[in-house]
Amino acid sequence: NAGVTQTPKFRILKIGQSMTLQCTQDMNHNYMYWYRQDPGMGLKLIYYSVGAGITDKGEVPNGYNVSRSTTEDFPLRLELAAPSQTSVYFCASSYRQGGEQFFGPGTRLTVL
Amino acid sequence: ILNVEQSPQSLHVQEGDSTNFTCSFPSSNFYALHWYRWETAKSPEALFVMTLNGDEKKKGRISATLNTKEGYSYLYIKGSQPEDSATYLCAFRNQFYFGTGTSLTVIP
Repeated sequence: NAGVTQTPKFRILKIGQSMTLQCTQDMNHNYMYWYRQDPGMGLKLIYYSVGAGITDKGEVPNGYNVSRSTTEDFPLRLELAAPSQTSVYFCASSYRQGGEQFFGPGTRLTVL
Repeated sequence: ILNVEQSPQSLHVQEGDSTNFTCSFPSSNFYALHWYRWETAKSPEALFVMTLNGDEKKKGRISATLNTKEGYSYLYIKGSQPEDSATYLCAFRNQFYFGTGTSLTVIP
């Protein structure tokens, strides 16, 4: 049981490039989340999903897109990377809304 | 946007000391309050989920209380050990809103 896995662990992008951060969970959780964590700040919710085919915006969605075609996968897409998107990104999942969340190991992204 | 505030921002205590810190949140439309422990270079791990006013939860030397009417939760650590060193996060409203955390360092 791997829990929540994220790839890649690290990535450096140039301004304007695009990339997809991958997130997979094997716990059959319906709820999945993407957060970003900036120095001195708490975790900020980017997008979340309550099940396959359903996604919704969180607190800081601008510049990102998500999809949820399966229960297991919840990729986060950056279309035109900007320096403001330099951050550590965490994916999480939970069995029910408001339930304990299980976090992935994070992806450290730098945009230069 | 909701403000979830944690204090203090950081804390250094001696091994064996007991300590506590605070999470403050809006008292209206309360659903649940979560506490997480986040060790450096790891991912956050859930400690407690608290839902009812007056809730008290305990896990080993760590306990938490909840006051939904006044909008705060306390986390207590009894007899701090170096392995308790971590950032402790609280999260509100279905975990859409996290506090900035309290960074605890326990000095051997």
